[in-house]
Amino acid sequence: QSVLTQPPSVSAAPGQKVTISCSGSSSNIAKNYVSWYQQLPGTAPKLLIYGNNKRPSGIPDRFSGSKSGTSGTLVITGLQTGDEADYYCGTWDNSLSSGVFGGGTKLTVL
Amino acid sequence: QVQLQESGPGLVKPSQTLSLTCTVSGASISSGSYFWTWIRQPAGKGLEWIGRIYASGSTNYNPSLRSRVTISVDTSKNQFSLNLSSVTAADTAVYYCEALAAPFDYWGQGTLVTVSS
Repeated sequence: QSVLTQPPSVSAAPGQKVTISCSGSSSNIAKNYVSWYQQLPGTAPKLLIYGNNKRPSGIPDRFSGSKSGTSGTLVITGLQTGDEADYYCGTWDNSLSSGVFGGGTKLTVL
Repeated sequence: QVQLQESGPGLVKPSQTLSLTCTVSGASISSGSYFWTWIRQPAGKGLEWIGRIYASGSTNYNPSLRSRVTISVDTSKNQFSLNLSSVTAADTAVYYCEALAAPFDYWGQGTLVTVSS
């Protein structure tokens, strides 16, 4: 049981937009920055978004993040087949004094 | 470019201690810029945060593992290590080491550790 809640799967057609939610609580997302990671099959996760809405160098602006209250959101526009991957949200939990992740969302580009 | 490489036994017997090392190149582990973190992922499942250490030596651990986990740093070898005691089959996973100083984030390739007799 993950501390952060994500939908298990989402899907959309190439070129379309998809939204992935990450629900937390007052002890984690509400008080800390949200990060998003992309994990392609058989590879280590890669940081997509940090600080709720910032992109590391090299991450296309098709990927965007936001936070409101106890939830974070990842939006991917102009979907490509290469975006098929598992996506994880993560943050710090003040009550646990620990990092926490969502259970992951599998993106299928139909 | 910062690179991380996990190393350690791929097979550990139940009740024994799992020991992994992450060798860092391209950055000094004592620089104070990065959080040095261990994360694991059972086959077909999600990521689990294990714990982290800062250059000062301060640590944070996942409460569910805290009684069994120790993360330490060897500055002379530019490495940080994970010890997980009293392992069971539930500890079988790919173990990753990570260096995070947002926006800079580096991961090792991961190493599979199987707990089995």
